[in-house]
Amino acid sequence: AQSVTQLDSQVPVFEEAPVELRCNYSSSVSVYLFWYVQYPNQGLQLLLKYLSGSTLVKGINGFEAEFNKSQTSFHLRKPSVHISDTAEYFCAVSEGNNDMRFGAGTRLTVKP
Amino acid sequence: DVKVTQSSRYLVKRTGEKVFLECVQDMDHENMFWYRQDPGLGLRLIYFSYDVKMKEKGDIPEGYSVSREKKERFSLILESASTNQTSMYLCASRTGALFTEAFFGQGTRLTVV
Repeated sequence: AQSVTQLDSQVPVFEEAPVELRCNYSSSVSVYLFWYVQYPNQGLQLLLKYLSGSTLVKGINGFEAEFNKSQTSFHLRKPSVHISDTAEYFCAVSEGNNDMRFGAGTRLTVKP
Repeated sequence: DVKVTQSSRYLVKRTGEKVFLECVQDMDHENMFWYRQDPGLGLRLIYFSYDVKMKEKGDIPEGYSVSREKKERFSLILESASTNQTSMYLCASRTGALFTEAFFGQGTRLTVV
């Protein structure tokens, strides 16, 4: 069964600095990978997803993620963050049994 | 746009009560999910359903049951609510294709007193 590990529970960063949120997964088969964002008091919305093909995936709001099969990682990056990026970010994996599993989340706090 | 609607944003129930959380989606999705969200634990899968009347246990099914009598509706039932079931509950749906994303409702914050 697949599992997802988000390596950082909290990431504080200053505005306009780059950020990387780390995600590792474990699965014995091909997987589909997703990053979601949750703003305060809201549901989750999709940032980006990796299905196949190019390992660099671009999403909304200037975020991108790189799939690395050998390291079983799918890290999320943004070259310059804004105050409005303050939120919780979840990595998720889907494989052959219809379900979708999420990591514990990373709380990104952008400081002025 | 896909819409996933959870019947309540906030609920307060007493210990021992039977609690129903309802979720409706409007996009004819095959798969529906119930997650529980707790600080530091992320989203944990309680149950999911891949078709009407079909269900599979997730990681934390104890104390919960589900019902899916119609394709658009997926209910989570707490047979006898306990204080350790105080949490945020999130419903999601997606198509039957594994590469598609899940769409989430706004969540129900349940407090059991």
